[in-house]
Amino acid sequence: DGGITQSPKYLFRKEGQNVTLSCEQNLNHDAMYWYRQDPGQGLRLIYYSQIVNDFQKGDIAEGYSVSREKKESFPLTVTSAQKNPTAFYLCASSGSNTEAFFGQGTRLTVV
Amino acid sequence: RKEVEQDPGPFNVPEGATVAFNCTYSNSASQSFFWYRQDCRKEPKLLMSVYSSGNEDGRFTAQLNRASQYISLLIRDSKLSDSATYLCVVNPMDSSYKLIFGSGTRLLVRP
Repeated sequence: DGGITQSPKYLFRKEGQNVTLSCEQNLNHDAMYWYRQDPGQGLRLIYYSQIVNDFQKGDIAEGYSVSREKKESFPLTVTSAQKNPTAFYLCASSGSNTEAFFGQGTRLTVV
Repeated sequence: RKEVEQDPGPFNVPEGATVAFNCTYSNSASQSFFWYRQDCRKEPKLLMSVYSSGNEDGRFTAQLNRASQYISLLIRDSKLSDSATYLCVVNPMDSSYKLIFGSGTRLLVRP
């Protein structure tokens, strides 16, 4: 089945640790995105990538890093510099001028 | 001014009611518009694309008003299962893959 897969579904991070969230798609989409959603809030763009080996910062990129070494993969690292990382993280992909498809999300909690 | 703005609601309506949401966008060059539905603690899913001529899918009708820079979503004969958050999404066309999400409008349909 074609789709977009995020893992893990739940993730716990100790303060000061870096963690990496996985996002893989087999839709042959050029663009991939990472969004953050806090309870009762809308989606905020962290990073997006239009092509392999290229990505741009979104509105809240501080404390996050990404890579796009393969078209299918767009992992997000939440670094220790992100002071309030507890949130719901959503990865999406889209073709040119088309709608985005989302993964099921990763809930990250700092313990 | 936000690039995409929505009334956060909640809209609390009885079953069978007709309800309408509006969404305004700031970039007049925007070309692609979508409505997504997000259930609590789930990923957003595409509800419908919005075309210049307007489009209808069963009980749902989407319209675009370029002159006033807003899109609308009309839901007729509301069902309990329509309770969700509805997200307006715009492609501003300053970067062909960057989708801008509104914060969402919450709908509660009561028995």
